[in-house]
Amino acid sequence: KAGVTQTPRYLIKTRGQQVTLSCSPISGHRSVSWYQQTPGQGLQFLFEYFSETQRNKGNFPGRFSGRQFSNSRSEMNVSTLELGDSALYLCASSPTREVETQYFGPGTRLLVL
Amino acid sequence: AQKVTQAQTEISVVEKEDVTLDCVYETRDTTYYLFWYKQPPSGELVFLIRRNSFDEQNEISGRYSWNFQKSTSSFNFTITASQVVDSAVYFCALRGAAGNKLTFGGGTRVLVKP
Repeated sequence: KAGVTQTPRYLIKTRGQQVTLSCSPISGHRSVSWYQQTPGQGLQFLFEYFSETQRNKGNFPGRFSGRQFSNSRSEMNVSTLELGDSALYLCASSPTREVETQYFGPGTRLLVL
Repeated sequence: AQKVTQAQTEISVVEKEDVTLDCVYETRDTTYYLFWYKQPPSGELVFLIRRNSFDEQNEISGRYSWNFQKSTSSFNFTITASQVVDSAVYFCALRGAAGNKLTFGGGTRVLVKP
C-alpha cells in the first residue's frame, strides 16, 4: 500500500500570502490529522478530520483552516502568512477515529519570507 | 491537559551500545495510548511502537524494547545494539480517549557513531 502523500514537499511564500497544502491518506484510511513542527514549539496538533467533518482542533488562530473531501483527501489552508508560520507541516492518517496508529507523510516544508 | 516530557535532548553513543530514551507523561484520562515515533533527517515520522494504558506488559520487538510503568507515568524505550541507521530524533507521544490528537514530547536526538 502506498503511504501518506503530501504535496508540495517544499514551498516558499512571502508574508501576507496564503497557502494550501494537500494530503492524501493511505488507501482506506478515513481519519486525517495535521501537525505543525517548529524548532521552538515542537510538534503541535492542528486539527483532525473524519468523514469530511472537523472533529478536533488545536490551539491555533483562525488563519489556519482545513477541509476533507469525500475521498478522504485533505487540504489545509493558512491565510495571511506570518514569518512564524515557517514550519514542517505533517499530515497523518488512520483507518478510523477509534484507537489506531497514525501514519505520517513526509511533510511539507513551508518557508515564509 | 496532557503533557509529555522527554528530559534528554540529545544522546550520543558508539555503535553496538544500548540506548534508553526516557518519557514521562501526564494525563487525567483513565484510558490512553502511548507511542514512540522516529524522525530521520528526511522529516517523516515513522511509527515504532504503541502501548495501551490497560496493558502494562513490556515487550521486545527485534532490537526495540519498552518499559511502561503506570505507577511512575513513564514509557521508556530502548534500542539494543545500536546501529548508525538508528541516528534520528525520537518522539514519545500520548493519545487520550478523545479522538486522534497526539501530544508529543520535545524529542530526543540520538547520534550513533561508527
